[in-house]
Amino acid sequence: NAGVTQTPKFQVLKTGQSMTLQCAQDMNHEYMSWYRQDPGMGLRLIHYSVGAGITDQGEVPNGYNVSRSTTEDFPLRLLSAAPSQTSVYFCASSTRQGGKTQYFGPGTRLLVL
Amino acid sequence: QKEVEQDPGPLSVPEGAIVSLNCTYSNSAFQYFMWYRQYSRKGPELLMYTYSSGNKEDGRFTAQVDKSSKYISLFIRDSQPSDSATYLCAMRPPVNTGFQKLVFGTGTRLLVSP
Repeated sequence: NAGVTQTPKFQVLKTGQSMTLQCAQDMNHEYMSWYRQDPGMGLRLIHYSVGAGITDQGEVPNGYNVSRSTTEDFPLRLLSAAPSQTSVYFCASSTRQGGKTQYFGPGTRLLVL
Repeated sequence: QKEVEQDPGPLSVPEGAIVSLNCTYSNSAFQYFMWYRQYSRKGPELLMYTYSSGNKEDGRFTAQVDKSSKYISLFIRDSQPSDSATYLCAMRPPVNTGFQKLVFGTGTRLLVSP
């Protein structure tokens, strides 16, 4: 099993550009989440999904959209990138909502100029 | 005030030392306590978890929870250079208390020198 995969590994955007961060898992997990990790702020939940077709907002959802058309994929879209969105983004999956064992991907480092 | 507080470090120790990593929290509803380890430029991975109060041991690692003080600890015995990583604590309320999400600390960076 590949576990949780994320692409790209690193991306540079200009302010106002849009992009999609890809996330896929092959563990048949129902629950998937997106976090951002910033120095001094820890991991903060952006959006989450409890199954295909069902998504909801986390604590920092502004400027991001998600969709979940399949169990495996959970892309994160930045609509109009801003410098405040410079961060490291992690996708995670688990067998249950808020599961103790969150399986994290390797992360996407995003720099917005 | 953050729900979970964790000293960011870095904490530098020599190989073989006993390491103590700690978190404090404010939400008395938290019942599950986890420690994640994150190597540089990697995603976090679960190291161990504890339910409610008490101790849990796994090899060189011991997790301790003191709910009366809202304080959790991770002890690493005989620390190795391979233990050099960032350690994040995470917490969660009981299953039947609404939206389930993990609340993470900011992480403590540990450096173990040979």
